[in-house]
Amino acid sequence: DTEVTQTPKHLVMGMTNKKSLKCEQHMGHRAMYWYKQKAKKPPELMFVYSYEKLSINESVPSRFSPECPNSSLLNLHLHALQPEDSALYLCASSQTTVSFNVLTFGAGSRLTVL
Amino acid sequence: GNSVTQMEGPVTLSEEAFLTINCTYTATGYPSLFWYVQYPGEGLQLLLKATKADDKGSNKGFEATYRKETTSFHLEKGSVQVSDSAVYFCALSDKNNNAGNMLTFGGGTRLMVKP
Repeated sequence: DTEVTQTPKHLVMGMTNKKSLKCEQHMGHRAMYWYKQKAKKPPELMFVYSYEKLSINESVPSRFSPECPNSSLLNLHLHALQPEDSALYLCASSQTTVSFNVLTFGAGSRLTVL
Repeated sequence: GNSVTQMEGPVTLSEEAFLTINCTYTATGYPSLFWYVQYPGEGLQLLLKATKADDKGSNKGFEATYRKETTSFHLEKGSVQVSDSAVYFCALSDKNNNAGNMLTFGGGTRLMVKP
């Protein structure tokens, strides 16, 4: 299995809703990442988990809450989002956080906040 | 800090034309360099990589050579196909960066190939 699987593919939510994005990989990778991608822009790093511990938080607002319950799963909990948070959210994984480890990306979850 | 600059698109070519997408970088350490491709509605896929100066990465007919003297990693393909239409991102990862595997992306270049 060489894939990163993200669910749901599409999500529409109101500003008062609570929802979660899920990411799963079974490649034995110990580093997992959340990126945010706005239309026609490159991905922007949000969070990095290394061995299930949060190692990087790129000053992301607290309405985004990551969770890594085990080495295969990564969640992003969403609460009280704003319309400007609408974007494609990409999950990625790599063997470790060493720089020559290639990142494998999922297909993304497209989020629309009304 | 680190940065990656790509030529702005869109780049529009006819099928079988030669492709070059320019990429230059600035890095404080000794970066690894990557090209990722994003097809419409999908995530990013690694296209090719190079980890040290003069390395050539290649895949699916695409090539890029790590040129330290010109700090460049230009993407080339001798004959493009309609199926190559996508957005291409140049990226670097700095070995001396304490953040390890953080990728610095260029702005992306949209390629459109017409039959």
